[in-house]
Amino acid sequence: DADVTQTPRNRITKTGKRIMLECSQTKGHDRMYWYRQDPGLGLRLIYYSFDVKDINKGEISDGYSVSRQAQAKFSLSLESAIPNQTALYFCATASYSGANVLTFGAGSRLTVL
Amino acid sequence: AQSVTQLDSQVPVFEEAPVELRCNYSSSVSVYLFWYVQYPNQGLQLLLKYLSGSTLVKSINGFEAEFNKSQTSFHLRKPSVHISDTAEYFCAVSDRLFYGGSQGNLIFGKGTKLSVKP
Repeated sequence: DADVTQTPRNRITKTGKRIMLECSQTKGHDRMYWYRQDPGLGLRLIYYSFDVKDINKGEISDGYSVSRQAQAKFSLSLESAIPNQTALYFCATASYSGANVLTFGAGSRLTVL
Repeated sequence: AQSVTQLDSQVPVFEEAPVELRCNYSSSVSVYLFWYVQYPNQGLQLLLKYLSGSTLVKSINGFEAEFNKSQTSFHLRKPSVHISDTAEYFCAVSDRLFYGGSQGNLIFGKGTKLSVKP
């Protein structure tokens, strides 16, 4: 099994629908991240969490929310999806002692029609 | 705040040719530097990193990068590329306050697509 698992891998939805992307990890890392990848823009940080009780906004948090249900689980929600949220979303983890070396999931491709 | 500039969005090369992917960063503090690789339809994987010590760091598949503090660069090189090196490469930087909180978040460049042709 993968160290960082994202579900679903692909999702097509309609404008206005609520969507949840889930991430679970077996690395035992305390830090978890959600990134968004758009062609030509690289990766941009949406939210990050340093432990279960710590949630922080990243560069582009508007329109998104997160929940850290356990050390191993970090979900990303789009409360009311819009077309410009069509993107590839990545979950990543890191250890407090790991000098910011991130382990990425395989990605969740979201299309909002 | 840090920033990362990858100077080339696409780099086409022929197999067995040398390649250099350029990365410049800006930061007011000491940094950690990384190269990540994304193969088609996959997530990102760490290729190599500079944390401290020798300024020349190497990966297991023949890539190397050199930290140049005076030029604020961390260019990625390989003397002879293979078809299998076709991927998108991302340079990333974080400051050394990682242990202190949000300042240590990783900042990514926009990526360079390396296309190796036979």
